[in-house]
Amino acid sequence: GQNIDQPTEMTATEGAIVQINCTYQTSGFNGLFWYQQHAGEAPTFLSYNVLDGLEEKGRFSSFLSRSKGYSYLLLKELQMKDSASYLCAWRGNAGNMLTFGGGTRLMVKP
Amino acid sequence: DAGVIQSPRHEVTEMGQEVTLRCKPISGHDYLFWYRQTMMRGLELLIYFNNNVPIDDSGMPEDRFSAKMPNASFSTLKIQPSEPRDSAVYFCASSNVPGQGGPEAFFGQGTRLTVV
Repeated sequence: GQNIDQPTEMTATEGAIVQINCTYQTSGFNGLFWYQQHAGEAPTFLSYNVLDGLEEKGRFSSFLSRSKGYSYLLLKELQMKDSASYLCAWRGNAGNMLTFGGGTRLMVKP
Repeated sequence: DAGVIQSPRHEVTEMGQEVTLRCKPISGHDYLFWYRQTMMRGLELLIYFNNNVPIDDSGMPEDRFSAKMPNASFSTLKIQPSEPRDSAVYFCASSNVPGQGGPEAFFGQGTRLTVV
């Protein structure tokens, strides 16, 4: 997607921690979203940050720095079922639409 | 609520034919979005509606694409005539007005379109 970048692929080991980074550029910002998408399925919502800092939700946490145009998704205690694509998206000030990055395909190995 | 419902789940059609994709958003959601997903281009916004009114259709690739939302519970995306490069997964999503309920958009299961 335009103005939003994330790595294409990552590999991690079951039980480990992985951090997926996302950088974005936008003139009007109203929130950063992370979605999970398993192969052949719809994206499902994971987290939302609108203020700087860390939001924690069980094994998943998301961080935002608005001044740096930077976010990351942290996955702890990785499980095989976490193998999926993780999509970063920003919401602008106009309307309620999301602009998505290309997604990071995460492969969790035993 | 059953979530966002799309039909059909799969569509195979011949080049030149008209294709109509359907979407029922979550009841009470004011925003409806049509996205297209391909390996090459990822998830792209085609058009979105607020209170049944099209707000931004700048992502619609060509005049062959059109979308309507005749009421709050139904939207269609039409491709006429279809071309092989239109092959993709088309997602419909809906969300609340910012500040009312959660901020996230909920996606339907998608329609996998193959144009041969």
